[in-house]
Amino acid sequence: DAGITQSPRHKVTETGTPVTLRCHQTENHRYMYWYRQDPGHGLRLIHYSYGVKDTDKGEVSDGYSVSRSKTEDFLLTLESATSSQTSVYFCASSTGDSNQPQHFGDGTRLSIL
Amino acid sequence: GQNIDQPTEMTATEGAIVQINCTYQTSGFNGLFWYQQHAGEAPTFLSYNVLDGLEEKGRFSSFLSRSKGYSYLLLKELQMKDSASYLCAVSKSGGSYIPTFGRGTSLIVHP
Repeated sequence: DAGITQSPRHKVTETGTPVTLRCHQTENHRYMYWYRQDPGHGLRLIHYSYGVKDTDKGEVSDGYSVSRSKTEDFLLTLESATSSQTSVYFCASSTGDSNQPQHFGDGTRLSIL
Repeated sequence: GQNIDQPTEMTATEGAIVQINCTYQTSGFNGLFWYQQHAGEAPTFLSYNVLDGLEEKGRFSSFLSRSKGYSYLLLKELQMKDSASYLCAVSKSGGSYIPTFGRGTSLIVHP
């Protein structure tokens, strides 16, 4: 399996505070992704990256920004967290080949009070 | 856009066979993935279908019909540990490789 780790694994914070989630992969995968997973909605793509400093929006990108300064690291930032952003966040990586699966991190459970 | 439908929940008995369906409507279809996700854990890859037909991997098989926009995951000899969510994801041809996930099917296996 791809070595992909997320930090922190759990976080509780207050509305209006900035939050940064980190994803680190050791497989030299070109593509990295951030998803959120909520009951009844499945996995929804927030942002993705197709290379260093190359990122694009997913279907639920409002209120989120990302950065990728190195191949192995992909950061997700909530500039001013809102209660609607309480969710489980998953990072994933892949080679970018259409027949290759994504490898997921263990997730970050984020609660915004 | 893409529309992917899966049943929300299914129940089955240990030792039985269960079929989890996934239908999709998309332009430029390339292939379809199935993932398994146990509660509180990350999704893990099960199978990938790009051609019509059945792909078998031990107790799990996956089928694809491109013309019908239909796939299913078949789980045989069900075990309690198969209780999980099963996600289908569609990838499109051309451009960036960004698969779209269905909402997942929660499978509950009873003794």
